[in-house]
Amino acid sequence: GIQVEQSPPDLILQEGANSTLRCNFSDSVNNLQWFHQNPWGQLINLFYIPSGTKQNGRLSATTVATERYSLLYISSSQTTDSGVYFCAVTGGSYIPTFGRGTSLIVHP
Amino acid sequence: GAGVSQSPSNKVTEKGKDVELRCDPISGHTALYWYRQSLGQGLEFLIYFQGNSAPDKSGLPSDRFSAERTGGSVSTLTIQRTQQEDSAVYLCASSFGTSEQYFGPGTRLTVT
Repeated sequence: GIQVEQSPPDLILQEGANSTLRCNFSDSVNNLQWFHQNPWGQLINLFYIPSGTKQNGRLSATTVATERYSLLYISSSQTTDSGVYFCAVTGGSYIPTFGRGTSLIVHP
Repeated sequence: GAGVSQSPSNKVTEKGKDVELRCDPISGHTALYWYRQSLGQGLEFLIYFQGNSAPDKSGLPSDRFSAERTGGSVSTLTIQRTQQEDSAVYLCASSFGTSEQYFGPGTRLTVT
C-alpha cells in the first residue's frame, strides 16, 4: 500500500508565529485531504487538495502531486489551532491511509 | 444539512461481550468508511462501503469484526467477544463517490 509520512511529529509555537507542516506520499494519488483533530477528538476538514493551492483564512495548502508531497501553512497561529493535523490519502487506487499526524501546541 | 452522526458516543463493555456501533452518514453520500483510532495514534482503516458494490473489508483486524450497511445508508459495526485491545475510538466517515470524506464524532469503546 501507499506510505504517508508527516513531519514534524511535534511542533510548539508561540501565538502569532507561522509554521509549515509537510506530508510526503510514496506514490501518485488522486485524493489528498488535510484534517485538524481538535482536543475533543473531532476531525475537522481543512482542505481537499489532490493538486494545486488553496487558501482558507490563515490556512493554506499546496500539493505537488508530481513530486509526491503536500504542505499545510498556518500563519499567525492562535491557541485554537492546537491539536493534531493529519494528512490522508483518501480513495482512488488505495485504501484510505492516514499519516501519523503532527501534534501542534500553540502557547499564548 | 446534518453531518455524520454516530451512536453511542461512549460504550463501556465487559471483555467477551458483543457490541454494536452505529453510523448515520450524510444524506446522499454513496460511500461509508469505518476507522479505529487507538490512544495517541493515527487512524486505522477498517472497512469501506461504496454504493451497491461488495465492501472492502481488507482492514478488519480479525473475524470478530464485521459491518453491514442497510439500504445504502445506515451502517453498523459489530465486534464479537470483545477484547481489551479493542478499546479505541471508532470513527465513521462518508463521502460522495471517492471525494472528500466527512467524519462523525466517534464512539469511544472501553473494554474492561
